[in-house]
Amino acid sequence: AQSVTQPDIHITVSEGASLELRCNYSYGATPYLFWYVQSPGQGLQLLLKYFSGDTLVQGIKGFEAEFKRSQSSFNLRKPSVHWSDAAEYFCAVGGGNYGGATNKLIFGTGTLLAVQP
Amino acid sequence: KAGVTQTPRYLIKTRGQQVTLSCSPISGHRSVSWYQQTPGQGLQFLFEYFSETQRNKGNFPGRFSGRQFSNSRSEMNVSTLELGDSALYLCASSLGGKEDTQYFGPGTRLTVL
Repeated sequence: AQSVTQPDIHITVSEGASLELRCNYSYGATPYLFWYVQSPGQGLQLLLKYFSGDTLVQGIKGFEAEFKRSQSSFNLRKPSVHWSDAAEYFCAVGGGNYGGATNKLIFGTGTLLAVQP
Repeated sequence: KAGVTQTPRYLIKTRGQQVTLSCSPISGHRSVSWYQQTPGQGLQFLFEYFSETQRNKGNFPGRFSGRQFSNSRSEMNVSTLELGDSALYLCASSLGGKEDTQYFGPGTRLTVL
């Protein structure tokens, strides 16, 4: 079965510190991978995506993620966290692997990031 | 380009009633997907419409239905509301191709009393 695991429910980092949010997936074929961010009461904003090619992808707001097929992981990183990064982060997997195209996304349970001053 | 819009943003209903939520996709997008977000179950896929046809469906009861119009706008309907239907309902639009990105609206917060 396809699934996404985000092992860390809640993470607290100090402003200026580096950040890594973990994401592991289970998928029957080459996955399309996404990271979204959600501020309280808001919808989801796309941070970055991986379809193919270079396994290190850059996103908005200084975020990057690395696809590691051997580890079935797609961890999100940021070298220096800002207070405005406090939000909930969701990893998702999807892909047109069903003969036709489909946009169904399977989400992880999310990681809530708190930033200490 | 305007983003995905959802109306209404907030809704309060009572058990047994029905509700219709609306989603207007980004101009040019032909695929609209719906997701339910709850604290207990997280983000779950409801269904996807592409060119007025349901292309994929999640594991929800038949009380949840949707449709898409020729202008790609979509509605979802929940009949016979239950307390457990209280959630944030998110709509996402995309071009509908294989390597595609979904853009989400702000959601409709439904509260069932």
